[in-house]
Amino acid sequence: DAGVIQSPRHEVTEMGQEVTLRCKPISGHDYLFWYRQTMMRGLELLIYFNNNVPIDDSGMPEDRFSAKMPNASFSTLKIQPSEPRDSAVYFCASSLDTPSTDTQYFGPGTRLTVL
Amino acid sequence: GQQVMQIPQYQHVQEGEDFTTYCNSSTTLSNIQWYKQRPGGHPVFLIQLVKSGEVKKQKRLTFQFGEAKKNSSLHITATQTTDVGTYFCAGPRLTGGGNKLTFGTGTQLKVEL
Repeated sequence: DAGVIQSPRHEVTEMGQEVTLRCKPISGHDYLFWYRQTMMRGLELLIYFNNNVPIDDSGMPEDRFSAKMPNASFSTLKIQPSEPRDSAVYFCASSLDTPSTDTQYFGPGTRLTVL
Repeated sequence: GQQVMQIPQYQHVQEGEDFTTYCNSSTTLSNIQWYKQRPGGHPVFLIQLVKSGEVKKQKRLTFQFGEAKKNSSLHITATQTTDVGTYFCAGPRLTGGGNKLTFGTGTQLKVEL
């Protein structure tokens, strides 16, 4: 298996622009997670899905952030409009079973820079 | 809410020295996971501990879960440059909508020749 796939790997954009991050989880995994990592706040869970349904989005910073999972093999995280404080590495991860007990497999991440 | 703290935040060692990172939770954990993130990389699962007082070994790495299941440690014997990275512990947290992992603050390890 290719593992979790994310695109783009790097994104540089200007403040106010829309940013869309993409993720393909490992085939057969029922759970998908979006994390954000910064020096100041560490690794934060933004949202997670179970069987394509959002279960917990309490980590989504504000209305500028939205996530979708239209099918089992694809998810997007969108930021509109983007702000400099959104600059971070965004990881997508997937797991076969319940997130509290099962291994999470992380993608390579998208490094976002908002100027 | 539940917090998972790790100490130290940073650790520099000479190659061959031992290294230990400690993970402390404000609540009892049903299990704890450990992940390693190399510089510029992504977190990679290392191990999961479930039982009170459990000790597991992976070559030079020894993982321990506290008797009260509120703390854990990772000990590396005779560090090598390949051990460089940030080590995270993660514990489950029950929420109204489901359950999820809370990652610790991480310990960044640097190994000097």
